[in-house]
Amino acid sequence: EVQLVESGGGLVKPGGSLRLSCAASGFTFSSYSMNWVRQAPGKGLEWVSSISSSGTYIHYADSVKGRFTISRDNAKNSLYLQMNSLRGEDAAVYYCARDLGWHVDYWGRGILVTVSS
Amino acid sequence: QSALTQPRSVSGSPGQSITISCTGTSSDVGAFNYVSWYQQHPGKAPKVMIYDVSKRPSGVPDRFSGSKSGNTASLTISGLQADDEADYYCCSYAGSYTYVFGTGTKVTVL
Repeated sequence: EVQLVESGGGLVKPGGSLRLSCAASGFTFSSYSMNWVRQAPGKGLEWVSSISSSGTYIHYADSVKGRFTISRDNAKNSLYLQMNSLRGEDAAVYYCARDLGWHVDYWGRGILVTVSS
Repeated sequence: QSALTQPRSVSGSPGQSITISCTGTSSDVGAFNYVSWYQQHPGKAPKVMIYDVSKRPSGVPDRFSGSKSGNTASLTISGLQADDEADYYCCSYAGSYTYVFGTGTKVTVL
C-alpha cells in the first residue's frame, strides 16, 4: 500500500524557517517524481514544487521561488521541503504527492504550517 | 501561472448529471492532454478521479467522465450520489514540469 506521511509542520514567525519531511513507503520511491502541493485554510490547491526521480530536475512555483528548496534522499525514501523567509501567505496544509507522469496519483494526509507572530 | 477557472459551485439532485468546467489558456489546458480532476472531502486529502483528460484510475466509478475542448476541460458526474458531495479541482500540466490547479468547485447534492 502506498503511504506518504508528512512531518515537520507547526507554528513559525514571519521570516522564519521550517523543514518539512515526507516519508514514503509501499512503492519504489526512487522511480517516481514527487511534488509538494499546498492548500491555504478554506482555499484551493496550489502546486508548490516538483523534483524528478533522481533529483536532477527541480521546479518551483513563482510564489516560492528563491525561498523554498525541494530535495530528496532516495536511500531514505524521503522527500523534503526547506522553507525560508516564511510569509503569512505561506500558511497552509502542505501535501506530499507522488507524480505518475503528468498527474498526481497519491497524496499524503498533509501537514499544517502556521505563520504568525 | 494563474489558476484555472472553475465555477464556484454546482448542484444537482440524486440521479441527475452535472458538469464542471475548467477553463485555462493555450499554455496549459489547451496545450497538453494532461488534465486531471481531484475530489476532496472536508478534512481529507484529494483523490484523483480523472487523469490525462478522460482516463479513470482503477476503482473510480464510470459515472465520472472527463473531456476537453480547446482551452476548457470538463468533468461530468452522472447518476449523482450523496457521497459525490465534495470539492472538485481540475489540474493541468503547464510545461517545464509545472502544474496549475483550478479554483475549485463545491458540488452539492440536493
